[in-house]
Amino acid sequence: GENVEQHPSTLSVQEGDSAVIKCTYSDSASNYFPWYKQELGKGPQLIIDIRSNVGEKKDQRIAVTLNKTAKHFSLHITETQPEDSAVYFCAATPNYGGSQGNLIFGKGTKLSVKP
Amino acid sequence: EPEVTQTPSHQVTQMGQEVILRCVPISNHLYFYWYRQILGQKVEFLVSFYNNEISEKSEIFDDQFSVERPDGSNFTLKIRSTKLEDSAMYFCASSGERGYEQYFGPGTRLTVT
Repeated sequence: GENVEQHPSTLSVQEGDSAVIKCTYSDSASNYFPWYKQELGKGPQLIIDIRSNVGEKKDQRIAVTLNKTAKHFSLHITETQPEDSAVYFCAATPNYGGSQGNLIFGKGTKLSVKP
Repeated sequence: EPEVTQTPSHQVTQMGQEVILRCVPISNHLYFYWYRQILGQKVEFLVSFYNNEISEKSEIFDDQFSVERPDGSNFTLKIRSTKLEDSAMYFCASSGERGYEQYFGPGTRLTVT
């Protein structure tokens, strides 16, 4: 089955700097890659996603890139702010017969943005 | 903005007891999911539900678990005989299109003592 690896597990940056989180996946048939932000005590919040027919997607300070050949995708946050501090999860959805799109998550990256 | 809601926010139960966790998905969504997150670990898929039946389930979702959509709005997860290792956050999610843009609820923290 699908396996998603995520690095780094923790990331500390200064306010205003950029942050990059990387994920790799194992199943070449996976076709959808969302990123979730989870604040303490809350549910995962979808912040951006990318489908396999696109190489890059941007939404204000957040961007995601996908390299299907290498089977990896990355989250880029520019001009980080203290409120970006949270745990970020990448995920992939397998695309085999019968799959209803359940998400396979990475282990998460705890991002700390220091003022 | 529409959102997924879950009740209760926290449930404490004794080992061997039955619990029902409740979710109200986003109203026009067709695909429903349960996930769980043991403290400090990653989110794990439990089950997906579409067209009033289970579509897919993980190894975690054994005979002690069941799901139901008793009416047009609620989606429930039942654990028949809870174990200590069932202690976790349980998240409900829904999407309007198979697998894409899954929106998660705030979760129910289940504590089994």
